[in-house]
Amino acid sequence: DQQVKQNSPSLSVQEGRISILNCDYTNSMFDYFLWYKKYPAEGPTFLISISSIKDKNEDGRFTVFLNKSAKHLSLHIVPSQPGDSAVYFCAASARSGNTGKLIFGQGTTLQVKP
Amino acid sequence: KAGVTQTPRYLIKTRGQQVTLSCSPISGHRSVSWYQQTPGQGLQFLFEYFSETQRNKGNFPGRFSGRQFSNSRSEMNVSTLELGDSALYLCASATGLTSPLHFGNGTRLTVT
Repeated sequence: DQQVKQNSPSLSVQEGRISILNCDYTNSMFDYFLWYKKYPAEGPTFLISISSIKDKNEDGRFTVFLNKSAKHLSLHIVPSQPGDSAVYFCAASARSGNTGKLIFGQGTTLQVKP
Repeated sequence: KAGVTQTPRYLIKTRGQQVTLSCSPISGHRSVSWYQQTPGQGLQFLFEYFSETQRNKGNFPGRFSGRQFSNSRSEMNVSTLELGDSALYLCASATGLTSPLHFGNGTRLTVT
């Protein structure tokens, strides 16, 4: 049972445009959500997070939106840059359970074309 | 500040052998977690340690074990290696259980 799903394996965007990456979850106990970026041969790099008490969090070009009723979150990158080309993972945890354990989605490969 | 350091970066072992992977967390981080990444299963949680105590364990067989030392450094051990254990093993650290995880670059284990 996949509790965190990223249904789009890949996304291609033109430089300067918006990239929107989507993620769905099924476990209503999740209360903390994160996005990571991963380049080949490197570990995931933390990008941005959001607590379930918020519906939006912004950090520079990155904004994460959370829709709890739909159990859906999205990452917006504006404007997209070629250096953003990587695999993006969303992850969720149930911090109220006194754990930092993350459940990851399968990842979306973003390609930003110059 | 130095990031999470994992050693070795690459490892080749034979079926039936055992292996120990090492992780040094970011200075000041007391929480250490381990994840396995494979093409088929993605990133899967192995263990979580906080102040030398295992707080959580993933759905892996008992051949997978780990520990955390008083200086927060951690090791994981896999005994009786199987071909399916070939994967990228990632260690991550955090200041606490409610902070974002910061990952190392992993140890690539190949079992032949």
